[in-house]
Amino acid sequence: ETGVTQSPTHLIKTRGQQVTLRCSSQSGHNTVSWYQQALGQGPQFIFQYYREEENGRGNFPPRFSGLQFPNYSSELNVNALELDDSALYLCASSLAGRGIGDTTNYGYTFGSGTRLTVV
Amino acid sequence: RKEVEQDPGPFNVPEGATVAFNCTYSNSASQSFFWYRQDCRKEPKLLMSVYSSGNEDGRFTAQLNRASQYISLLIRDSKLSDSATYLCVVNKGTGGFKTIFGAGTRLFVKA
Repeated sequence: ETGVTQSPTHLIKTRGQQVTLRCSSQSGHNTVSWYQQALGQGPQFIFQYYREEENGRGNFPPRFSGLQFPNYSSELNVNALELDDSALYLCASSLAGRGIGDTTNYGYTFGSGTRLTVV
Repeated sequence: RKEVEQDPGPFNVPEGATVAFNCTYSNSASQSFFWYRQDCRKEPKLLMSVYSSGNEDGRFTAQLNRASQYISLLIRDSKLSDSATYLCVVNKGTGGFKTIFGAGTRLFVKA
């Protein structure tokens, strides 16, 4: 059983640039969530994808966008990078139902993250 | 007020000590609860789920009090390898699964 893999592991970008981060979900998982973790903070939820559709979004501006592919892998795109976007970006996969009231949740398996530095 | 709040820490304890972490959550509709462990510069890893009846896994005991909206983690007989940040995680489960992490409590276990 393969785990969650993220690429690249480290990235340095300049302010105003665009970045794409990638995530391959764990085998058998159909849901991918993206988190931003600043130094000394807990992970902050960006959004979640389930069966190629966005299935919930946190308090992040529209310049944070994503995609999920038929094989359940996912991309996080960030446009117009700002210095405060420097953080560890974590992808987590899970097997979860969808919709209000569906509480099935088997916990999350995280990838090792992409450390983004914006200069 | 943050949706999930944890003891700020850090906790510095000797080997063999018992240490307890507390966590409160604000959304009474929250449906599932977890403790994660995160080592320095690594990803979070699931430590244990938290059930209403309380649950134990070796030296670790987790408890949930829905009336008080409170979760705890107890570590007995602390080991050096327990040194990490412990994250309290609450899943609101509304309109697509929205998982909220606390800021974490750092634990240092000393020889």
